[in-house]
Amino acid sequence: GQQLNQSPQSMFIQEGEDVSMNCTSSSIFNTWLWYKQDPGEGPVLLIALYKAGELTSNGRLTAQFGITRKDSFLNISASIPSDVGIYFCAGRDNQGGKLIFGQGTELSVKP
Amino acid sequence: DTEVTQTPKHLVMGMTNKKSLKCEQHMGHRAMYWYKQKAKKPPELMFVYSYEKLSINESVPSRFSPECPNSSLLNLHLHALQPEDSALYLCASSQGPGGGAYGYTFGSGTRLTVV
Repeated sequence: GQQLNQSPQSMFIQEGEDVSMNCTSSSIFNTWLWYKQDPGEGPVLLIALYKAGELTSNGRLTAQFGITRKDSFLNISASIPSDVGIYFCAGRDNQGGKLIFGQGTELSVKP
Repeated sequence: DTEVTQTPKHLVMGMTNKKSLKCEQHMGHRAMYWYKQKAKKPPELMFVYSYEKLSINESVPSRFSPECPNSSLLNLHLHALQPEDSALYLCASSQGPGGGAYGYTFGSGTRLTVV
């Protein structure tokens, strides 16, 4: 079945540093979504991307839909302690609309 | 109202019990989903309801039984669960089965422990 490879699996950074994570797939997706999940909560949508090449920002977050439609990245600039959590990429294919999740990137920010 | 509300937040049940998880949204979304999530793992799709009809069942054991009474409500009936079924159960909704303009909105989940 379809799989998303998300990397890195975990990151330990200092407050103020920039962060980058990415997802790749062997299949084409027509939508890429980036979610953040805090402990004990459901995933919260950060950025949604719908067109190949699209670059979208949400505050300190920037995400891009790869031109090949098989990858996406998320950047977080000037990290702060509340950025701690697990970040998931998710792709939606053309058939049936199922959402496929990456394995997640666990972010730790040291004050 | 831009939320998906799940109750209860926590549930502990014995292996012989019958319980139900509830999910509600008032965003006019026509697709609703149940996901199961283990700690630090991605959500795994269980069921998809599209326009109140079950459209996807990801080979989930029959001890999990979904129900969509109307376009705003989604239930998950649990019976004779196993300890390995302990997990966070997430409900989500979207404008249509394809996700729509705003992706999928998730609830906060029900933390289920089977003893």
